[in-house]
Amino acid sequence: ETGVTQTPRHLVMGMTNKKSLKCEQHLGHNAMYWYKQSAKKPLELMFVYNFKEQTENNSVPSRFSPECPNSSHLFLHLHTLQPEDSALYLCASSQDHSGTTWETQYFGPGTRLLVL
Amino acid sequence: AQKVTQAQTEISVVEKEDVTLDCVYETRDTTYYLFWYKQPPSGELVFLIRRNSFDEQNEISGRYSWNFQKSTSSFNFTITASQVVDSAVYFCALSEPSNAGNMLTFGGGTRLMVKP
Repeated sequence: ETGVTQTPRHLVMGMTNKKSLKCEQHLGHNAMYWYKQSAKKPLELMFVYNFKEQTENNSVPSRFSPECPNSSHLFLHLHTLQPEDSALYLCASSQDHSGTTWETQYFGPGTRLLVL
Repeated sequence: AQKVTQAQTEISVVEKEDVTLDCVYETRDTTYYLFWYKQPPSGELVFLIRRNSFDEQNEISGRYSWNFQKSTSSFNFTITASQVVDSAVYFCALSEPSNAGNMLTFGGGTRLMVKP
């Protein structure tokens, strides 16, 4: 596997379900990101992890819970979601996320989530 | 206030036509980075180019070219002799080091449809 992979690619869940999205990067990067892409809205940054530490939480509701066990893996745990949470969830990685340098973010294919 | 504006929400051209996608940005920083990404129907955002604010040289890569004009705060993207495979949504993005963690701010995207 190369680049950034995400599983599952498609997910349908009820509002009472609990599910998790998985992201894995094979680029040797240290920073990982979750984005949400809804119809007719710009891409929204949700969370940032740098060297496994969460550095940004962009006012995301607590029904979304990220986990970063190591620099290569990132999870997004979902519970009691709402229909308006239906969107494409994109994972990205970059070399790092320090305040003095900026590295290009490379994206995975996304998980298309439908909440019924 | 929107920091990255892609005024063209949808463009339709016939194969072999040239097409320019507009991007206008706002920033108070003197150092910043601009990006273009391509999102084909599969969903993955594909990195195309990164340009820093001190480098105003235009860039050409095959059929792709980018025109960076600081005076008008624009970073336009031209595809020469478009092909059907160029059909995708194209995003312009801005990174400002003064923002916490050098976040990417995306424009709303331009959907390009290239017809045979």
